[in-house]
Amino acid sequence: DAGVTQSPTHLIKTRGQQVTLRCSPKSGHDTVSWYQQALGQGPQFIFQYYEEEERQRGNFPDRFSGHQFPNYSSELNVNALWLGDSALYLCASSLWGESSTEAFFGQGTRLTVV
Amino acid sequence: KNEVEQSPQNLTAQEGEFITINCSYSVGISALHWLQQHPGGGIVSLFMLSSGKKKHGRLIATINIQEKHSSLHITASHPRDSAVYICAGENSGGSNYKLTFGKGTLLTVNP
Repeated sequence: DAGVTQSPTHLIKTRGQQVTLRCSPKSGHDTVSWYQQALGQGPQFIFQYYEEEERQRGNFPDRFSGHQFPNYSSELNVNALWLGDSALYLCASSLWGESSTEAFFGQGTRLTVV
Repeated sequence: KNEVEQSPQNLTAQEGEFITINCSYSVGISALHWLQQHPGGGIVSLFMLSSGKKKHGRLIATINIQEKHSSLHITASHPRDSAVYICAGENSGGSNYKLTFGKGTLLTVNP
């Protein structure tokens, strides 16, 4: 049973470019949440997708957008990259309506903006 | 102000020592997760607590709902326990798994 998988693992982009990160949830899960973790900080909630819709959003600008596909996988898109977008991007999966259960995270995508 | 506060930020111990990491959280958090993050980034879930105490091997997690405080204990610590330990609060009110993270505690266990 594959857990949460993210791709790519590492990525280098130039300021102003656009990037797409991908996440496949754990088998049986239908909800994907994205987090940004800057160096030395705890992860910050970006947004959450369920039934192909954004259900919750953290304090991130519109440059950050996402998508969820019918197979529950998800993409995180960041436009007009800033140097400050350099971070580890983590994806977590869960089952909608089933809060207070074990957290399942991917290994993350480390994005470096130069 | 972060809704989840952890202490200490950094902790160095000798192998075999008993370790405690503390976490305080604000109103509105219905469950508390303890997570482990190794260099490279991947996060592993250790415990999810909404009341009482849980134990897994040398790890023990407790939560005091009235005081809004949780602790993670490691008995007989070992160098392989070296990692960042993060507590994360799960918001109540049907938020469906939005977690608010503490900044983490970097634990280094020396042989």
